[in-house]
Amino acid sequence: EAQVTQNPRYLITVTGKKLTVTCSQNMNHEYMSWYRQDPGLGLRQIYYSMNVEVTDKGDVPEGYKVSRKEKRNFPLILESPSPNQTSLYFCASSGLAGRQETQYFGPGTRLLVL
Amino acid sequence: DQQVKQNSPSLSVQEGRISILNCDYTNSMFDYFLWYKKYPAEGPTFLISISSIKDKNEDGRFTVFLNKSAKHLSLHIVPSQPGDSAVYFCAASLTGTASKLTFGTGTRLQVTL
Repeated sequence: EAQVTQNPRYLITVTGKKLTVTCSQNMNHEYMSWYRQDPGLGLRQIYYSMNVEVTDKGDVPEGYKVSRKEKRNFPLILESPSPNQTSLYFCASSGLAGRQETQYFGPGTRLLVL
Repeated sequence: DQQVKQNSPSLSVQEGRISILNCDYTNSMFDYFLWYKKYPAEGPTFLISISSIKDKNEDGRFTVFLNKSAKHLSLHIVPSQPGDSAVYFCAASLTGTASKLTFGTGTRLQVTL
């Protein structure tokens, strides 16, 4: 089954404790992206990757890091989480980067930073 | 600055009637538009899209209309069904960066019996 998976689905942590949210897709997609969803703000892009070893900032990259060492994986790293990073996070992927393709979303990771 | 706006946070429609969800954008360089549907505890799923060279695209009960001069698009659902109750996001994309989407804030549609 074609899908985007994220782990963990729910996470409670404390300020300053490094964490990683994993994202994996099995569709051989070039393009992958991370979004956060906040009430009244919709979905905002954090980082995206056009292909392996190619990443770039989205609209709200502060406090986040990403890496793309393999085509299928695109982990999101919070080196020192803060309460304002409490949010619902979605990973997405699409094929043929730069072309008009729809994005497929993972189920989401709900993060609470205390 | 919100480049894609959905000014109605919520909408309630009776089953069988038409649902009209609206979306406005400010960047005239956007040339590809999409609607996503999101159920609770799930990721958004693609619904329908439209290129700027068209003014209408239809897929079953769903039709998207694009008015470029007004920088406005709308999603029509006819007839509305209870299973359509969800949050709907419109999204816009620029030429050559079609994978980089700018999303609206979402409209929660409730279809009542």
